Amino acid sequence: QKEVEQDPGPLSVPEGAIVSLNCTYSNSAFQYFMWYRQYSRKGPELLMYTYSSGNKEDGRFTAQVDKSSKYISLFIRDSQPSDSATYLCAMTYYRDDKIIFGKGTRLHILP
Amino acid sequence: DAGVIQSPRHEVTEMGQEVTLRCKPISGHNSLFWYRQTMMRGLELLIYFNNNVPIDDSGMPEDRFSAKMPNASFSTLKIQPSEPRDSAVYFCASSSADRGRLDTQYFGPGTRLTVL
Repeated sequence: QKEVEQDPGPLSVPEGAIVSLNCTYSNSAFQYFMWYRQYSRKGPELLMYTYSSGNKEDGRFTAQVDKSSKYISLFIRDSQPSDSATYLCAMTYYRDDKIIFGKGTRLHILP
Repeated sequence: DAGVIQSPRHEVTEMGQEVTLRCKPISGHNSLFWYRQTMMRGLELLIYFNNNVPIDDSGMPEDRFSAKMPNASFSTLKIQPSEPRDSAVYFCASSSADRGRLDTQYFGPGTRLTVL
């Protein structure tokens, strides 16, 4: 079983819809959970991170961690065409340890 | 700030040739990471340096790969000899250790390598 699993998509939704992106992981020792956004032919950029379980909100984005189920989610409200990108989940054991990335989900927001 | 700078942006070479990828981290950052991204394997960490010292090179695929960081503002990733299966996008990222906070890694634009 891979450490981090993520559906590659693509996921196509109409503009304005709520988007739900998810990852599962196998190692319960992960403590920091992150979401990166990667536009085509660009490097990934950090969107949000969460420590341990719980929710975190930043504008239209909400990150959710359920450590009991080993499941993390990213919700995008009022999705925009500019949200079209690949979203990678990532996690790490400690603050300064190496990061394990999911393969990414390609998201298309249709105008 | 110019961000992380990588060169070249694209590289096409023939099997067996030596390839050198270059990275200039963000000024003041003390950690540098080299990643490889492919459709099949996603984003994989190859090696990372802290204060110019290699900390973990367990992701380096084999002896054909080597990385150096001679000073705080420059790093190279070398593949010798290159093989078609090395074709991928190689990213460099840098971060600054800040006690108590997650070290945000800032990625460069990547080098797209094609080995024929």
